[in-house]
Amino acid sequence: GIQVEQSPPDLILQEGANSTLRCNFSDSVNNLQWFHQNPWGQLINLFYIPSGTKQNGRLSATTVATERYSLLYISSSQTTDSGVYFCAGRSNDYKLSFGAGTTVTVRA
Amino acid sequence: DGGITQSPKYLFRKEGQNVTLSCEQNLNHDAMYWYRQDPGQGLRLIYYSQIVNDFQKGDIAEGYSVSREKKESFPLTVTSAQKNPTAFYLCASSILGAGEKLFFGSGTQLSVL
Repeated sequence: GIQVEQSPPDLILQEGANSTLRCNFSDSVNNLQWFHQNPWGQLINLFYIPSGTKQNGRLSATTVATERYSLLYISSSQTTDSGVYFCAGRSNDYKLSFGAGTTVTVRA
Repeated sequence: DGGITQSPKYLFRKEGQNVTLSCEQNLNHDAMYWYRQDPGQGLRLIYYSQIVNDFQKGDIAEGYSVSREKKESFPLTVTSAQKNPTAFYLCASSILGAGEKLFFGSGTQLSVL
């Protein structure tokens, strides 16, 4: 599978702040997804975004497939945004490879 | 409600014991997966199955076994050969084809007594 690198590893935000999380991958991908893991361990699929830009409320994501990276934007952060954000990508094989995650802490 | 159900939520294993983690989905998804998550790390693929009665090894299959006798069920057995089984185990499923988003169960925390 491909190698997936996420940055930054940790992010501390004040409520209301905006932030950008980055995901770099070692090869071109045909499947790229972003997930949020809450403090109880539940993983929620945020975006399926192999290319282009999508928005869902205060979250948006952009994937530039030709340059092998994806960005997740959090605007007007809230304490409920805390948790770990993972990106995962797949190239030509069937395996979705995960990055190590970005741990986001939003303080009230 | 449609979803993926994992049980139990917590499981304890004694030395030399095999334990089985349950995963059931009612989403009518073709593909099912097992991932292992260690503290502070990403998810690593143990096994996956795209169709009933067929499954493939992922990156860390040693010490684990699976079966896929029904479309909705994909149990994982952690055998005594897995020397470091303490981890959070996540089951997932997806449709096959373009745009296959992955959906996860709530996980099972396995610990060694």
